[in-house]
Amino acid sequence: DGGITQSPKYLFRKEGQNVTLSCEQNLNHDAMYWYRQDPGQGLRLIYYSQIVNDFQKGDIAEGYSVSREKKESFPLTVTSAQKNPTAFYLCATALGTDNSPLHFGNGTRLTVT
Amino acid sequence: LAKTTQPISMDSYEGQEVNITCSHNNIATNDYITWYQQFPSQGPRFIIQGYKTKVTNEVASLFIPADRKSSTLSLPRVSLSDTAVYYCLVGAHMEYGNKLVFGAGTILRVKS
Repeated sequence: DGGITQSPKYLFRKEGQNVTLSCEQNLNHDAMYWYRQDPGQGLRLIYYSQIVNDFQKGDIAEGYSVSREKKESFPLTVTSAQKNPTAFYLCATALGTDNSPLHFGNGTRLTVT
Repeated sequence: LAKTTQPISMDSYEGQEVNITCSHNNIATNDYITWYQQFPSQGPRFIIQGYKTKVTNEVASLFIPADRKSSTLSLPRVSLSDTAVYYCLVGAHMEYGNKLVFGAGTILRVKS
């Protein structure tokens, strides 16, 4: 989706290091989400945010942190506390009304060795 | 949150119509049903959304019975490029504070 930019596309880190994944949107959407996808699996919700300066934990928030200082940005930090950080990370946005669909970025593939 | 159940995988041939059913027995009054398509190493893409009865757009149709406990995505005359994972998502942003959870998805393989 051209309105959501995730960078970088591929990211490599050593175990024990924190790493921050970027998600920027120009769709003027209120809601933003972070999902994690493992090979052959569905998407699991890490964190979500409905408005600036507010965010909620999803199903697998342990070892992750987020911030929402600006409407356009929702960075995800993968901390050293995350036991299995290697995965495909997807950022999504939505207008925030009841039936507004999710718009996804193209993802960041994180490899931790 | 409504939990969804879909077939793990389906096979089809080019030119055939494909129907993928999603079960969501505990769907709530305010929930919408949305289907997404995902190709490898890409983010999911919105296909179609509905609340009740039938919805049709340029790529698919969505059939929802009166009790709304299931829904069927219909892809007419599939091609090789329709090989992807299809997700059914049930929820409403405001009802659950924007927590939207995906099911496992259905792998559709289209053969020539």
